[in-house]
Amino acid sequence: GQNIDQPTEMTATEGAIVQINCTYQTSGFNGLFWYQQHAGEAPTFLSYNVLDGLEEKGRFSSFLSRSKGYSYLLLKELQMKDSASYLCAVTDSNYQLIWGAGTKLIIKP
Amino acid sequence: EADIYQTPRYLVIGTGKKITLECSQTMGHDKMYWYQQDPGMELHLIHYSYGVNSTEKGDLSSESTVSRIRTEHFPLTLESARPSHTSQYLCASSEGTETGELFFGEGSRLTVL
Repeated sequence: GQNIDQPTEMTATEGAIVQINCTYQTSGFNGLFWYQQHAGEAPTFLSYNVLDGLEEKGRFSSFLSRSKGYSYLLLKELQMKDSASYLCAVTDSNYQLIWGAGTKLIIKP
Repeated sequence: EADIYQTPRYLVIGTGKKITLECSQTMGHDKMYWYQQDPGMELHLIHYSYGVNSTEKGDLSSESTVSRIRTEHFPLTLESARPSHTSQYLCASSEGTETGELFFGEGSRLTVL
């Protein structure tokens, strides 16, 4: 079956750095997305990786290793507004999106 | 900012009622999706459409139906609501490319008593 694993919850301190991991097992691979979802709101797009390596976008970076079926989202200089769930999603061989359950990130002052 | 709208945002209804959740987008996107999401859980694809007069069922078994008569409009209908349908319903759209990001509406939170 197809599966995406992420930690359920993580806690970090304002101003610090946090890394959220995602491992996947899917039938084929055509890209990996990270979305941010604040409580009670809809997901919003953060990043897309299809080739191995690091993609940097401001305070957020996303890394992909296709051979290991692994990605991480790196958040730097954490702010209170970064408290949210972070969803990892993989596009399979049929270009269907497979979603993880999300990682709830709690930022403490 | 995404131009995709859902109504109603919140709905409380009784068992057996027929309801339609509306979704409209003004971005001209060909692909549209309906997801169901319970708190702390992953998104489950209910229906999707790749263009006018094209609709497909997703992975989640559902008693709902959709239609795509116009590019911008993708309504979801529950013929007979049940308490098990209580959930958040998210509509999304994307461009025609396989790698296009999804733009989500603000969601419709449904409670069936």
